[in-house]
Amino acid sequence: GAGVSQTPSNKVTEKGKYVELRCDPISGHTALYWYRQSLGQGPEFLIYFQGTGAADDSGLPNDRFFAVRPEGSVSTLKIQRTERGDSAVYLCASSRGGKNTEAFFGQGTRLTVV
Amino acid sequence: AQTVTQSQPEMSVQEAETVTLSCTYDTSESDYYLFWYKQPPSRQMILVIRQEAYKQQNATENRFSVNFQKAAKSFSLKISDSQLGDAAMYFCAYSGGSNYKLTFGKGTLLTVNP
Repeated sequence: GAGVSQTPSNKVTEKGKYVELRCDPISGHTALYWYRQSLGQGPEFLIYFQGTGAADDSGLPNDRFFAVRPEGSVSTLKIQRTERGDSAVYLCASSRGGKNTEAFFGQGTRLTVV
Repeated sequence: AQTVTQSQPEMSVQEAETVTLSCTYDTSESDYYLFWYKQPPSRQMILVIRQEAYKQQNATENRFSVNFQKAAKSFSLKISDSQLGDAAMYFCAYSGGSNYKLTFGKGTLLTVNP
């Protein structure tokens, strides 16, 4: 597709369950970012991939959160033992790479933990 | 750490009028970029305008312009001839030095009245 695609658009899960959120970046974009946007807040950085490797995962809040990008394209954000505080919109962005190149965002996945 | 502050949670403007959204930031770096993003209800973050810190000239994109005051660490967005489609959340963001990740403010909700 022409833009960044995130699936699912919405996800409701029970506390304690495991969830996976998927991001399809723009074709050819080597850099991929995950952000989390809580209600009434701006997005907060979680993790950055350059190619297949996580170049910076300093924003992941704890070890329940993990992300992969095995082939340097699609990325999956994985959350184990979900908590109600994990409820948020998870945004993915991609860019051509390089410092301060424009990042293009997807429409996000709204995760609700009940 | 860099911080971005948007002091106006909400703003409103009459259609065809001009509105200015405020943003201040804090950084010790000399090389950085500043951005304004628009987030409509679809949740997708859309880049409105960007400013390189080393450029003294204020960036302009059609009806959107910025007032970049580097010494004051201020970066306001002016929207001229406001249109109904401009109604959205607006986020100010910073990306600095060797960084690639964006630091966002809390956002300003802009309402455009017909």
